[in-house]
Order: sequence, then structure tokens, then C-alpha cells
Amino acid sequence: GAGVSQTPSNKVTEKGKYVELRCDPISGHTALYWYRQSLGQGPEFLIYFQGTGAADDSGLPNDRFFAVRPEGSVSTLKIQRTERGDSAVYLCASSQYVGRKPGQTDRPKNIQYFGAGTRLSVL
Amino acid sequence: KQEVTQIPAALSVPEGENLVLNCSFTDSAIYNLQWFRQDPGKGLTSLLLIQSSQREQTSGRLNASLDKSSGRSTLYIAASQPGDSATYLCASDTNTGNQFYFGTGTSLTVIP
Repeated sequence: GAGVSQTPSNKVTEKGKYVELRCDPISGHTALYWYRQSLGQGPEFLIYFQGTGAADDSGLPNDRFFAVRPEGSVSTLKIQRTERGDSAVYLCASSQYVGRKPGQTDRPKNIQYFGAGTRLSVL
Repeated sequence: KQEVTQIPAALSVPEGENLVLNCSFTDSAIYNLQWFRQDPGKGLTSLLLIQSSQREQTSGRLNASLDKSSGRSTLYIAASQPGDSATYLCASDTNTGNQFYFGTGTSLTVIP
């Protein structure tokens, strides 16, 4: 597609429910990131995929959060037993970044292209 | 953990003025520093990316500079316009991981 697409744009759910947030990256981008942004704050890293694998999931706050990217394109962020504190805007970004190759002293450019986000409200 | 700070938190200027936004980071071992623009209710738009081997990047009226040794970057906006009103965020990676760390942003208002 032309840009990063995230659906739904808004999601309202009740405490304790399960939600799935979808990200459709720019075609051909191998890197995909999920971030969470609370009001008045900058985005906070959750997880980074390189292809189908989660290369870094150190930002996931607890085991209620999980993300998949089974075919290396679309990704789904899954939140179980939602809590009111999960309310935020969830942002997805994709990039052509492929990581540093053996022998490279510098790291390639990592220009990230963001979707408009999913605003999650847990009542 | 990388800590990114942006000063000022908010800025209001008359149209036509030149301005500087500041970004500082605690871990100078970075590879990429990126400046973004965020409009209300929208995602982030990449403005400029500076790699660690570079000192500055320019795009139109925007110029971003990087001083790794002092842990600072600045975004210079020339001849500001009301359409420049938005929140500006900077973010950097580090040599220990691929994630980006973001500042809390500078909210810019350009008054016609």
C-alpha cells in the first residue's frame, strides 16, 4: 500500500476483554515496530519484528501483550484481559531497515514510517 | 536505558520567525537520530534522519544537526509558517538495540 495502515482507528472495550490491533506495513518493508503513546508523552517502544520473527520484544509490559507477524507483512498486536491502564494510542511503524551486516561498523538508515494509530479506550 | 529530553516543551512564535528546537540524549553511542512531526490525532511523519557519521541534514526550511559527543541535536526551522504548528519529536536508537527512544516533544504554535 501507499502507507502504513492501522485498523481499527478507534477501539473501545471493557476491562477484562481481549483486543486485537492490526498493522499493514508499507509493501516490502521488512522491519515493523509497535509503540504505545500516552497523552502528552512520546511513543514508547513495545516490540520490533525483522521479517516474521520478533527480534526484540523487551518493551512489552507484561505477558498480557503479544504480537505476531506470521507472513512477514501484516502484524497483529494482541492484548488479553485489558486493564484501564492499557488505554493509549498504539502506533505501528515500518522501515526498510535490515539490521547491521557482519563487518559493518555503522548501522544503516532506519527511517520509520508511521501509521495513524489505534486509539484504545478501556472502560 | 537511553533518556531523551526535549526543550522547550511548548513554544509559541509569530509567523516568519526562525526557531530552534533542542533534543538531548544520555547515551551518545547512537547510530540514527530522527526528527518527526506529529499533528493532533495523527501518526508521526519523518522529517529528517541523521546517521552517526553525519553532522547535519537539510530539507527545505528544516535543518537538523547532531553533536554525538555532547549528546545533542537541534532542529532549526527557518521562516516559520502557521502550517508548521505541530508537535516535534526526536528519537534515537543505541548501539545495544534496534529500538528507538523518543522524547516527549515540543509543541509548536506559529501565530499568523
